Amino acid sequence: GAGVSQTPSNKVTEKGKYVELRCDPISGHTALYWYRQSLGQGPEFLIYFQGTGAADDSGLPNDRFFAVRPEGSVSTLKIQRTERGDSAVYLCASSPWTSGGTGELFFGEGSRLTVL
Amino acid sequence: QKEVEQNSGPLSVPEGAIASLNCTYSDRGSQSFFWYRQYSGKSPELIMFIYSNGDKEDGRFTAQLNKASQYVSLLIRDSQPSDSATYLCAVGGTASKLTFGTGTRLQVTL
Repeated sequence: GAGVSQTPSNKVTEKGKYVELRCDPISGHTALYWYRQSLGQGPEFLIYFQGTGAADDSGLPNDRFFAVRPEGSVSTLKIQRTERGDSAVYLCASSPWTSGGTGELFFGEGSRLTVL
Repeated sequence: QKEVEQNSGPLSVPEGAIASLNCTYSDRGSQSFFWYRQYSGKSPELIMFIYSNGDKEDGRFTAQLNKASQYVSLLIRDSQPSDSATYLCAVGGTASKLTFGTGTRLQVTL
């Protein structure tokens, strides 16, 4: 597609429920990132994929969070047993960067998660 | 100490003036530096990147990098009301991820 696509754009769930957030990156971009942004804060790194593998998952806050990218394109962020503190905008970004270092990221519009 | 620090603002400048946004970072190994603009309720969009010490100009925007001082700035000349947004500084190192500051809110007044 022309840009990074994220679904759903809004998700309201109850505490303790399971949610999945989907990201479809820009075609041809091998690097995919998940960030989380709370109100008044900058994006906070969660996980980075290069191809199908998670190259860096150091930002995942705990084992309730998991992400996959089985075919090296679409990625799903999975949150188990949601807590109110998980409420935030979850941003996905992709990048054509393949070598060391960091290139520019192109962000999707985000999925706003609200845990009641 | 936060990895990337920005003054949260708001920074208020009159239309037509120069807006100066500043950012400091803690990791001396940082290699790439980005400025993103984020309108309220929208996702960040890249406006400038800089990798080498000195100035880089693109239209009304100039990014400045001083690695010795661990300082990066963004100048916006002839500020317009449409420039009113939050400006996020992001820093990349060898870890293949960007670390963002909390952003500076810019208000351009008529």
